[in-house]
Amino acid sequence: NAGVMQNPRHLVRRRGQEARLRCSPMKGHSHVYWYRQLPEEGLKFMVYLQKENIIDESGMPKERFSAEFPKEGPSILRIQQVVRGDSAAYFCASSPQGQGTYGYTFGSGTRLTVV
Amino acid sequence: AQKITQTQPGMFVQEKEAVTLDCTYDTSDPSYGLFWYKQPSSGEMIFLIYQGSYDQQNATEGRYSLNFQKARKSANLVISASQLGDSAMYFCAMRESANGANSKLTFGKGITLSVRP
Repeated sequence: NAGVMQNPRHLVRRRGQEARLRCSPMKGHSHVYWYRQLPEEGLKFMVYLQKENIIDESGMPKERFSAEFPKEGPSILRIQQVVRGDSAAYFCASSPQGQGTYGYTFGSGTRLTVV
Repeated sequence: AQKITQTQPGMFVQEKEAVTLDCTYDTSDPSYGLFWYKQPSSGEMIFLIYQGSYDQQNATEGRYSLNFQKARKSANLVISASQLGDSAMYFCAMRESANGANSKLTFGKGITLSVRP
């Protein structure tokens, strides 16, 4: 019974390249959330998706960042033309319909380093 | 105003003793949930405990308990009988729920706990 799977665990990109971060939610979970954690900071909400729909993207930067959660396959967080300031840990969480008491299961995160 | 405030500096506790980690929150939503997560040096986010705004009793999960004072808008985490493996960052988070919409978590900045042998 796998939890939330994120890959890659570590990702190094040169400035200007694209970064693609993947998240496979827990089985039976149809809601996905992406968070970003800068060093020595708490997690900051980025985007909330259900299958094929973006529900809340209020935390997404206006440019270069996009997210999708297709009908089939994992959720993808895409960062185009990465800059050094994008270096952070990116966490994905999933929850079932209705969330329940505990709601969220987090993945282990992807550590993005932009060089 | 910040939604979740964790202002304690790094905390130290002797092994086997209890420790309280503070968290205050700010919301006008009558329905909300409060969470505590542990983040060890390996980086994963580990769920510890949950308290709903309408829960009458303080939540408990093993050695973890939540001291929920609704009028003061505080949700402090109490760890009893500290263990060396409790050394980690601890985050308080809140979910505001308006008919199930806008159900993201808002996190505090975290508190570092170090357990001394």
